[in-house]
Formats: sequence, C-alpha cells, structure tokens
Amino acid sequence: DAGVIQSPRHEVTEMGQEVTLRCKPISGHDYLFWYRQTMMRGLELLIYFNNNVPIDDSGMPEDRFSAKMPNASFSTLKIQPSEPRDSAVYFCASSASRKNTGELFFGEGSRLTVL
Amino acid sequence: KQEVTQIPAALSVPEGENLVLNCSFTDSAIYNLQWFRQDPGKGLTSLLLIQSSQREQTSGRLNASLDKSSGRSTLYIAASQPGDSATYLCAVPSQGGSEKLVFGKGTKLTVNP
Repeated sequence: DAGVIQSPRHEVTEMGQEVTLRCKPISGHDYLFWYRQTMMRGLELLIYFNNNVPIDDSGMPEDRFSAKMPNASFSTLKIQPSEPRDSAVYFCASSASRKNTGELFFGEGSRLTVL
Repeated sequence: KQEVTQIPAALSVPEGENLVLNCSFTDSAIYNLQWFRQDPGKGLTSLLLIQSSQREQTSGRLNASLDKSSGRSTLYIAASQPGDSATYLCAVPSQGGSEKLVFGKGTKLTVNP
C-alpha cells in the first residue's frame, strides 16, 4: 500500500479564496482524521470519520471549515473563505480500530499559506 | 481534559549516547499510547504503540515503556545516530479508548556526529 496520500503538498493562496485539500486513506482503514499543525498550537484534531461518517467535528475552528468523506477512499477538507490565520500544515491520517491495534498512519501533509 | 507534556522540548547529544525522552499525561485511563517521529517538512511516522496491558515495547534500538498509574511513558534510544535527529511526539487518547488522540508538542532531538 502507498500509505496515506495527500494533495496538494503545498498551496499558496490569497485571503478570501477557497482551498480544498484532499486525502486518500490506506485501503481497509475505517477511521480517517484531519489534523492541523502549527508552531504555536502543535497538532490539533479537526475532525474524524468512521466508515465515512463524521463522528466528531468539535475541533473544526469555524464554519469556514468543512470536511466530507463521500467514500472509503477519499476525503476533502475545504476552507471557504480562507484567512491568513489558516496558514498551517494540514495532515490526514487513517487507522483501523484503535482499541484493538489502532496504529495511526499519517500522510505527508499539505502546507497551506494564505497571503 | 487530557493533557500531554513532553520534556525536554529540545535535546542535543553526541553520537553514540543512550538517551531517554519523556512523556506525561494527565488522564491515566487510556487504552494505549503511541510514539511518533517527525522529520522536518514530513508527516508523522509511527514508531511504537503500547497497549494499556503492556509495560513496554521494543523495536530495534528503541524501547518505549508505559506506566499508566503515574501517567508517564519514556522512549529510550540506544546508541544514538545522526539519522535519529528528528522531533519525537507521544500521543494518547483524549479519554479511555477514544479515537481522538491528544499529542504532546514533541522533543526535538539532534544527534551530533
């Protein structure tokens, strides 16, 4: 398996533009997570899905953020409109049930810069 | 609320030294604990996952221990190498067996040749 695949790796956009980040989890994993990493706050969980259903989106900072998982092999994180404070590295991760074996596997991240 | 602390924030050692990285957490009712490595500009790579029923896990030169009662875990790296230079993060569930992980801010390790 190629691991968790994220795109784009880098995105530079202007304030007010829509940003869409994409993720392909590891095949067979039933959990998918979106994290954001900044120097100030470290890694923060934004939202996670189980079997394509959003379970907890309490970490989503504002209504400008939305995430979808239309099928088991694809998820998107959308920011509309984007703001400079959204600049961060966004990671997607996937796992099988954590209570059993539950190792978490991360993608390489999408580095977002909002000017 | 689960909080994870990693001390020190940065560590610099000469090649060949054995070293210990520390992780502490406030809610000890956890199912497991995971140690990750992050290289600059990269994602996190899982190193070791310790289930609550285990006291330690080993992988090569790495050994992680878990003491739930005291809310602590250590990552021991034997015979450190320059290639071990990275940031090491630990993570635990926000509560019990929750799928939500809380991460420490990491220890940035530099191994000098």
